[in-house]
Amino acid sequence: AQSVTQLDSQVPVFEEAPVELRCNYSSSVSVYLFWYVQYPNQGLQLLLKYLSGSTLVKGINGFEAEFNKSQTSFHLRKPSVHISDTAEYFCAACNAGGTSYGKLTFGQGTILTVHP
Amino acid sequence: KAGVTQTPRYLIKTRGQQVTLSCSPISGHRSVSWYQQTPGQGLQFLFEYFSETQRNKGNFPGRFSGRQFSNSRSEMNVSTLELGDSALYLCASSLTTSAGETQYFGPGTRLLVL
Repeated sequence: AQSVTQLDSQVPVFEEAPVELRCNYSSSVSVYLFWYVQYPNQGLQLLLKYLSGSTLVKGINGFEAEFNKSQTSFHLRKPSVHISDTAEYFCAACNAGGTSYGKLTFGQGTILTVHP
Repeated sequence: KAGVTQTPRYLIKTRGQQVTLSCSPISGHRSVSWYQQTPGQGLQFLFEYFSETQRNKGNFPGRFSGRQFSNSRSEMNVSTLELGDSALYLCASSLTTSAGETQYFGPGTRLLVL
């Protein structure tokens, strides 16, 4: 079985401050990891994903994440946030290699609120 | 390219009724997955279709079913609706079902069961 835990349900931050959204995973097999963002009344948009290689992954909108196998974590970071980053962020995982047959396991989401 | 489209965007039904939701994937994508999103349970995988065949299924009762057509468009059906079926239903498409393949999500259909 596979599970994804997002450690913070809500993260308030001031504009231009750095932010870290935390994600831990648990799996008996190797996993691929993803971060998605959901703006109000919209679907999910991929920010970045880790498949293999460098453990530091850069994504869109200035976000990056670091895969840490020993700590089973995949935390999302941005050095300076904007008001427009206010949204809900989801960490997700799927079995690595072969065919996942579409199944992503999601964390419960972290609502990031950026204050002026 | 046009993104994933879902129709209708909003739906209100009463308990006991059935509902059909539609999803048109990005052109060329052959895999379509469905997810249910609720405040309590979060995002949960329903099922995945590839080339008109259901390849994977989540832990949902048999009232939830789906199908995929030869043009990759997909529908999901929920019969005998219950209050707890109120949710945002998201469809996602990808080129293949390879692990790590990016899934592109539609805006969702918001279903309210009264």
